Amino acid sequence: SQQGEEDPQALSIQEGENATMNCSYKTSINNLQWYRQNSGRGLVHLILIRSNEREKHSGRLRVTLDTSKKSSSLLITASRAADTASYFCATDAAYSNSGYALNFGKGTSLLVTP
Amino acid sequence: DAMVIQNPRYQVTQFGKPVTLSCSQTLNHNVMYWYQQKSSQAPKLLFHYYDKDFNNEADTPDNFQSRRPNTSFCFLDIRSPGLGDAAMYLCATSRTTVVGTGVGEQYFGPGTRLTVT
Repeated sequence: SQQGEEDPQALSIQEGENATMNCSYKTSINNLQWYRQNSGRGLVHLILIRSNEREKHSGRLRVTLDTSKKSSSLLITASRAADTASYFCATDAAYSNSGYALNFGKGTSLLVTP
Repeated sequence: DAMVIQNPRYQVTQFGKPVTLSCSQTLNHNVMYWYQQKSSQAPKLLFHYYDKDFNNEADTPDNFQSRRPNTSFCFLDIRSPGLGDAAMYLCATSRTTVVGTGVGEQYFGPGTRLTVT
């Protein structure tokens, strides 16, 4: 069942600006992950943050996690046209019987214009 | 180097005509997944395998079946495709993780776009 919800659903910015996407989830988690999907393609893993971590960086990406609010944010700094894609958060469930299942949110569609 | 390969990339089938989608991996990962993704929606997990242990999501229709004959290959069989089954089907893999550390990174194939006529 779907657990994550991204906000906003769509975001349009110009190159060089920062893009912030948010994700909320409902149940306790072990990990939260962010993925990117270019149009008509598979998903690409961006970053994983554990429930005991608050912030993580990878290149121009910064992810924060607030387990008390059950929310996460993904910040892309100095965006480029090539960042145009859909971005999904995905969570596991800390007490799930579903083995290795991930639940994906509906995604944020990011458009970066030159 | 391709790591998760899906064939074909595009598949057209007729209403009610069985179709099989295939996935192979060179990563030697224990866990393989099948997701269904409809336009502008989140990927929806259909089932996953931990080695040969099959885990079916509760709301996956019986029309969808899967086979994993060995570590490298996994198949999705749609026994009687309906118009509502038109979607992108994504295969993914992941490593096993230490118990209690949660689900790790998943590696996705490029997907097979299924059209039902």
